[in-house]
Amino acid sequence: EAGVTQSPTHLIKTRGQQATLRCSPISGHTSVYWYQQALGLGLQFLLWYDEGEERNRGNFPPRFSGRQFPNYSSELNVNALELEDSALYLCASRFGQGGNEKLFFGSGTQLSVL
Amino acid sequence: KQEVTQIPAALSVPEGENLVLNCSFTDSAIYNLQWFRQDPGKGLTSLLLIQSSQREQTSGRLNASLDKSSGRSTLYIAASQPGDSATYLCASGTYKYIFGTGTRLKVLA
Repeated sequence: EAGVTQSPTHLIKTRGQQATLRCSPISGHTSVYWYQQALGLGLQFLLWYDEGEERNRGNFPPRFSGRQFPNYSSELNVNALELEDSALYLCASRFGQGGNEKLFFGSGTQLSVL
Repeated sequence: KQEVTQIPAALSVPEGENLVLNCSFTDSAIYNLQWFRQDPGKGLTSLLLIQSSQREQTSGRLNASLDKSSGRSTLYIAASQPGDSATYLCASGTYKYIFGTGTRLKVLA
């Protein structure tokens, strides 16, 4: 069974450009989470999608947005890139219920903003 | 607002030692507590999940405990090996998952 897949692995952009990151959850998982992990910092919650809807977002500006498609894959868009957006972006899908919800992570997209 | 803290931030031990990593959370209204391992530049690998109704979970040399009333979880690693070197993260599970900043573990051969 394939795990959570993210693309691209690495992405280099310049300040002011837009970046699009993609995530495919494990088959059967309907929830997708996005996290930002800047160098030396912990994972910061960005967005949560479930059944095609945005359920919650973290404390990030509106230029961070995304969507979830009918096949439950998701993309994260970052507009007007700033230098401090350089980070590892991690996607996770969730499986289980009743307290047994478990997160499964992809390998991440390393975004570098020059 | 949930806050998750991990102590120590870094730990270096000789091979074979037993060790304990700590995780504290401020809001006890959680579904579960999950421990992960992260290797440099990589994604997270799930190690153990403890449901809110449970007190501990074990997998091989790993044992995790949960005390919701005190807002604490510990990860116990027995007979540490160089391959255990990684960053260990805990996450409090509700509708969103809040992560601690992790403990960087180095096991010396």
